[in-house]
Amino acid sequence: DTAVSQTPKYLVTQMGNDKSIKCEQNLGHDTMYWYKQDSKKFLKIMFSYNNKELIINETVPNRFSPKSPDKAHLNLHINSLELGDSAVYFCASSQERRGGDTQYFGPGTRLTVL
Amino acid sequence: GQNIDQPTEMTATEGAIVQINCTYQTSGFNGLFWYQQHAGEAPTFLSYNVLDGLEEKGRFSSFLSRSKGYSYLLLKELQMKDSASYLCAVRDYSGGGSYIPTFGRGTSLIVHP
Repeated sequence: DTAVSQTPKYLVTQMGNDKSIKCEQNLGHDTMYWYKQDSKKFLKIMFSYNNKELIINETVPNRFSPKSPDKAHLNLHINSLELGDSAVYFCASSQERRGGDTQYFGPGTRLTVL
Repeated sequence: GQNIDQPTEMTATEGAIVQINCTYQTSGFNGLFWYQQHAGEAPTFLSYNVLDGLEEKGRFSSFLSRSKGYSYLLLKELQMKDSASYLCAVRDYSGGGSYIPTFGRGTSLIVHP
C-alpha cells in the first residue's frame, strides 16, 4: 500500500553511463515531480508534470529527461552521467492539477557516480 | 525569483520548546509549508499556512505573517525523535496557471537529553 515508490533505492555507476530511475504513485494525484537533494541537503525541484504534460522545467541540463507514460508514473532518465550528478533524487506527487500543494515524497534514490 | 531563509542549525533540550523561523521573498505567494526530514529518509508534511495566523496540530504549531514574509514552526515538549531537519517551503505562482514549491535549505534540529 505504498503511496509513492521509486526504484532503485541505490544506484552506483561510472561516469559517462546512462541510467533511469522509476517512480509510481497510487494516490490518484494529478501532479508529479522530481527533486535533487545534494550533499548539503538542499532540496531543489527539477521537473513538474501534470497528467503526463511537462509543466515546469527548472534549470536542469538536458542530459536529464523525464518521461511520463501515464498519470501515475514519472521516470527520470539521465544521459552521460557526471560526478556532480551524485545526490539523492526524490520523486513526489501532489493532488492539485495546478501543482505546488502538499508534496508526498517517495523514499529517494541515492545516486553515486564514480 | 524566490528567496527563503532559515537557520542552518539549532539545538534544544528534551522537554523544551523551540521556534524555527523562516523568512521568504516571493512574487506570487500562495501558501507556506513545513516538512520534517529525518536523516536518510524522505521529507514528510507537517503543516500548511495560507492565511495569517497560527495553525496548531498537537505539539507542533505554525505561524504565518504574509505582510512580513515570515513564518515560524513551534515545537513543544521536545522529544529525542524530533531531531531532524525542518524544511520551509513556499508555494509560488510560476505562470500558466501553475504553482511551484520552492524549499529553503532546512534547519537541522538537534535535541539532547
